Amino acid sequence: AQSVSQHNHHVILSEAASLELGCNYSYGGTVNLFWYVQYPGQHLQLLLKYFSGDPLVKGIKGFEAEFIKSKFSFNLRKPSVQWSDTAEYFCAVNEVYGQNFVFGPGTRLSVLP
Amino acid sequence: DTAVSQTPKYLVTQMGNDKSIKCEQNLGHDTMYWYKQDSKKFLKIMFSYNNKELIINETVPNRFSPKSPDKAHLNLHINSLELGDSAVYFCASSQGLARSYNEQFFGPGTRLTVL
Repeated sequence: AQSVSQHNHHVILSEAASLELGCNYSYGGTVNLFWYVQYPGQHLQLLLKYFSGDPLVKGIKGFEAEFIKSKFSFNLRKPSVQWSDTAEYFCAVNEVYGQNFVFGPGTRLSVLP
Repeated sequence: DTAVSQTPKYLVTQMGNDKSIKCEQNLGHDTMYWYKQDSKKFLKIMFSYNNKELIINETVPNRFSPKSPDKAHLNLHINSLELGDSAVYFCASSQGLARSYNEQFFGPGTRLTVL
């Protein structure tokens, strides 16, 4: 079955630490890739997206992600996290010629001040 | 201005009741979705409508019935509520079908608690 996995369930970092959250998917065809963030008590907001072109995508708030097609991965990175980055992060994949928009299980990020 | 809005924000009800959650988007999108987020934060798509037509209907009990009076609205009606229906329900919209190159915009969520 098609799926999206995120390596870490809960990541705890201190402020200024670097962040990398893993995302892998199992679709064989062309995909669009997204990272969404959900701050405590809020709705999902788009951080960044990849449709085509440069596999290194820059998003809002200093986040970036790299699409590595051979590894079916779309990892999220930030060089220096802040306390305000504490949130749930969701990777999502949409198969271009399919109908499904599938979310990963989410990774909770806790940043300690 | 709110892009995707849902009402109510909180809904507490007894088992066996029937309830509705409303969703409206003012983005001019033609595709709308309902997602269920469980207590472990897992997000699962339930339904998708494009121009008032159902295009995705995941394995959801038939107690759940979406209704789209026009492409700006997608309401969710739930009959005979069960304890397991307790979750946060998110509405979303996008321009174009789920398979298009379009991100989804999410509403604030409705936290449903079934007692």
